[in-house]
Amino acid sequence: EIVMTQSPATLSVSPGEGATLSCRASQSVSSNLAWYQQKPGQAPRLLIYGASTRATGIPARFSGSGSGTDFTLTISGLQSEDFAVYYCQQYDTWYTFGQGTKLESK
Amino acid sequence: QGQLVQSGADVKKPGASVKLSCKASGFTFNNYPLHWVRQAPGQSLEVMGWINAGNINTRYSEKFQGRVTITRDTSASTAYMELSSLRSEDTAVYYCARDSYDRGFDIWGQGTMVTVFS
Repeated sequence: EIVMTQSPATLSVSPGEGATLSCRASQSVSSNLAWYQQKPGQAPRLLIYGASTRATGIPARFSGSGSGTDFTLTISGLQSEDFAVYYCQQYDTWYTFGQGTKLESK
Repeated sequence: QGQLVQSGADVKKPGASVKLSCKASGFTFNNYPLHWVRQAPGQSLEVMGWINAGNINTRYSEKFQGRVTITRDTSASTAYMELSSLRSEDTAVYYCARDSYDRGFDIWGQGTMVTVFS
């Protein structure tokens, strides 16, 4: 099973600033990597697929990069609605999610 | 855009089975695989299995093999997930999600809370 490791577990950032979230795969997943946002009591929401393509309706302040084993989700100009838990998911071999990064307001 | 609407919360005793439903609307049901994903309290997400579009093939996570069955009723645009031999560790929110092939899981149901409690 491909293990996805996200860092940090918790990230405290002030509104208006930028945030960088990391995700590492235990083996190469090529660009078969997605990012999701989840708020309390809600289902996950697809943000990024193919490592760097924004899903429909996702604001341009969300960007993804990386390939192989190392990936990054960058959020610029954090807004209040961006504070949530973020998960990466590989879909190269079966489907596995990282343990999540909680983005909280400083 | 499409929507998935799941059945309501359920409480089961250990050893019982639960069958959840996921009704699709706003897109061609047969054109997309559907996954079942579960999330235990305070935990991450894990894919239990999926059912393919059209040919009704299924594939299950080894972790749930033998306990999970995913089916679909194309006439009702509804997918089902049955989990048997329930134990307390199966207490979780269960989601269905549409697989847009190499573009991630783009539509999710609202989730169904299943509590296993003696």
